[in-house]
Amino acid sequence: SQKIEQNSEALNIQEGKTATLTCNYTNYSPAYLQWYRQDPGRGPVFLLLIRENEKEKRKERLKVTFDTTLKQSLFHITASQPADSATYLCALENNAGNMLTFGGGTRLMVKP
Amino acid sequence: DGGITQSPKYLFRKEGQNVTLSCEQNLNHDAMYWYRQDPGQGLRLIYYSQIVNDFQKGDIAEGYSVSREKKESFPLTVTSAQKNPTAFYLCASSLAKNIQYFGAGTRLSVL
Repeated sequence: SQKIEQNSEALNIQEGKTATLTCNYTNYSPAYLQWYRQDPGRGPVFLLLIRENEKEKRKERLKVTFDTTLKQSLFHITASQPADSATYLCALENNAGNMLTFGGGTRLMVKP
Repeated sequence: DGGITQSPKYLFRKEGQNVTLSCEQNLNHDAMYWYRQDPGQGLRLIYYSQIVNDFQKGDIAEGYSVSREKKESFPLTVTSAQKNPTAFYLCASSLAKNIQYFGAGTRLSVL
């Protein structure tokens, strides 16, 4: 069965360090992978999309990698700030191409 | 301002009652979606619609119904058949099947 796995345990890091979040998937052949940010009680907000033929994508302090061989995406936040504290969700289009499936999300806590 | 508006923000349902959650978008997006999120969990797809007057079931459609009579609107009805409706409901829209834009959500509780 298709599965998307994100670390369900919260990631606690110190301000200024790099946060790295992982998204692993099985039985998907995604053309692209997306990352979203969700704050408590709010809807997710789109951050980045990376295509299968792109190894890496950057946006300001954010960097996403996509390894279709390992079936894994890594999401990095460099020079992290307390304002980066949120839950981060990865999402893949299903094999039928008719819907997006979200991982369970990883909560990031950046301490000052 | 362009975006997705969900209402109400909080909703309470009595036993045996149907309730309807509103979702309106002015982004001119073709596709719209309804997700359910339980505490500490990811998003699960309830229903989606790619064009007006057409919609498909997602992973957890039982106990829910939708309509798509206008491009801008995609209301979700939580019927009395949904025995565990307490959750955070999120509506989203997208251009084609790509990046999704979410509303602020409706939190539904049972009285």
